[in-house]
Amino acid sequence: ETGVTQTPRHLVMGMTNKKSLKCEQHLGHNAMYWYKQSAKKPLELMFVYSLEERVENNSVPSRFSPECPNSSHLFLHLHTLQPEDSALYLCASSQDPSGSYEQYFGPGTRLTVT
Amino acid sequence: SQQGEEDPQALSIQEGENATMNCSYKTSINNLQWYRQNSGRGLVHLILIRSNEREKHSGRLRVTLDTSKKSSSLLITASRAADTASYFCATDNYGQNFVFGPGTRLSVLP
Repeated sequence: ETGVTQTPRHLVMGMTNKKSLKCEQHLGHNAMYWYKQSAKKPLELMFVYSLEERVENNSVPSRFSPECPNSSHLFLHLHTLQPEDSALYLCASSQDPSGSYEQYFGPGTRLTVT
Repeated sequence: SQQGEEDPQALSIQEGENATMNCSYKTSINNLQWYRQNSGRGLVHLILIRSNEREKHSGRLRVTLDTSKKSSSLLITASRAADTASYFCATDNYGQNFVFGPGTRLSVLP
């Protein structure tokens, strides 16, 4: 257990559905991250939050909408996704977003878009 | 742009042998980190080495950093079947960005 939990672990959704991924960290960290991991591609950083404020958004399509209501919780709201969005979505947290500290990852949500 | 690049892409060894993976990067870094990922799971942090350090050890893991060559290596000694995983390096260039490489898939055969 890394102290970072993600739900659901698996999700199958149609292109017209709306769903949300949830992440919770129990480590008292100030930074949280969403990553996308597709087959045969490097891990892609999607969003970074520091103390509930978004500090980085790496040109992610608007069909992905993050929300950070407090420093322990992070959501990724999904709507009108495409089949190429099928991937493993990983949440992580760290002491701060500077890159100077290790990141702790959740187990991921395996998303399949049909 | 991609910063860290692991080499080789895949490595297959026998149990008990040593495994060496390399990471090269392009710009100056503040630190470099190594992570392990078991199939379809989250990443687990292994070692962080700062730019003013040359070598770090943790159990059977040894990481070196050569900033003049912009490269790092991860050595796993006396490998076990449980070491089978993908290994990633990640570089931090002073808070500008934090980038993972594509990874090395290590298979340790019993």
